[in-house]
Amino acid sequence: NAGVMQNPRHLVRRRGQEARLRCSPMKGHSHVYWYRQLPEEGLKFMVYLQKENIIDESGMPKERFSAEFPKEGPSILRIQQVVRGDSAAYFCASSGVSETQYFGPGTRLLVL
Amino acid sequence: QQPVQSPQAVILREGEDAVINCSSSKALYSVHWYRQKHGEAPVFLMILLKGGEQKGHDKISASFNEKKQQSSLYLTASQLSYSGTYFCGTEGQSNQGGKLIFGQGTELSVKP
Repeated sequence: NAGVMQNPRHLVRRRGQEARLRCSPMKGHSHVYWYRQLPEEGLKFMVYLQKENIIDESGMPKERFSAEFPKEGPSILRIQQVVRGDSAAYFCASSGVSETQYFGPGTRLLVL
Repeated sequence: QQPVQSPQAVILREGEDAVINCSSSKALYSVHWYRQKHGEAPVFLMILLKGGEQKGHDKISASFNEKKQQSSLYLTASQLSYSGTYFCGTEGQSNQGGKLIFGQGTELSVKP
């Protein structure tokens, strides 16, 4: 019974490049959440999606960041024109009928 | 809006007990507790829904006082494996659709 999967686990980008982070929810889960964690800090909510719908994007920066959860395939968090301040761990969580959110292993993004 | 956790850090000897508190200024629908070890994903511990319930498994339990908008996590007879950072995640009563707001974390170190 596979858990939440994220790839890549580590991603290095130069300033100005694009970063694409992927998340496959647990089997049977239709709710996906993205959180960002800066070094030595807590988890900050970014966006909540269901299949083909963005439910809550109140935590997403207004520019350069976007997220999608298509009918087929993983959820994708896209960061355009990355800057050094985007360096962080990005966690995806999924939930099903119950309220419990299960986290994936995260993607560590390093912007040089 | 971010819940406040206390203490920020605690050091225990194996076998000692600890209490971690999580307080919110907003009315809560649920409180979720997670433990995160360095460089790893947060691991779900338990969820408490409004109704003032108390839950537990093994030597870790938690309570939720809806009126005080407060939850406490109780760790008894601590083991080395309990070391890590504990986060509470709160969901407000305004039906935010599952979005969790996390506290800043409590770092727990259990020494032999």
